[in-house]
Amino acid sequence: NAGVTQTPKFQVLKTGQSMTLQCAQDMNHNSMYWYRQDPGMGLRLIYYSASEGTTDKGEVPNGYNVSRLNKREFSLRLESAAPSQTSVYFCASSEWGVNQPQHFGDGTRLSIL
Amino acid sequence: AQRVTQPEKLLSVFKGAPVELKCNYSYSGSPELFWYVQYSRQRLQLLLRHISRESIKGFTADLNKGETSFHLKKPFAQEEDSAMYYCALGPGNTGKLIFGQGTTLQVKP
Repeated sequence: NAGVTQTPKFQVLKTGQSMTLQCAQDMNHNSMYWYRQDPGMGLRLIYYSASEGTTDKGEVPNGYNVSRLNKREFSLRLESAAPSQTSVYFCASSEWGVNQPQHFGDGTRLSIL
Repeated sequence: AQRVTQPEKLLSVFKGAPVELKCNYSYSGSPELFWYVQYSRQRLQLLLRHISRESIKGFTADLNKGETSFHLKKPFAQEEDSAMYYCALGPGNTGKLIFGQGTTLQVKP
């Protein structure tokens, strides 16, 4: 049972390059999320998708775009990578609504030089 | 403003000692609160949520609305409890979460 799968696990980019992080879930969840994790700052929500066909900004959306390709897949795109976007990126999914636990992927460690 | 604060970056205790990981939140409505844990080389996973009022792996957490706190407690720490712990707030009738900065718990033998 894979749960939430993220690819790639590691990536190094040069400033200005573009990149898409992929996320897929096999739990038939309605909602999906992208977070970034930085030392001392916890996890911060970048974008989320409450249901297929909808996306909304989170706390730190600048420099990112997302696509909810279908119910299973939710991708995160960096159009022009910057060193400040060096981070660990986590995708999560859940049922939408109150008190629904989120299920996380293994993360993508992204370094931008 | 909606915010979660975990004041300790690192908490180090000896095996068998009591543990309390602090979490304070700022939210004007009725909060949904969670504790998530990330063990070494494992995924971030739900530990417990306040609505369930349950004990998981010996951990409990009580919501104190007067002090706006949701501290995580365990009477006797085990080495396998060593991990990163995140407190999270679910504001309003949505699935979104606001995470605290995280506390690394180190249980020494």
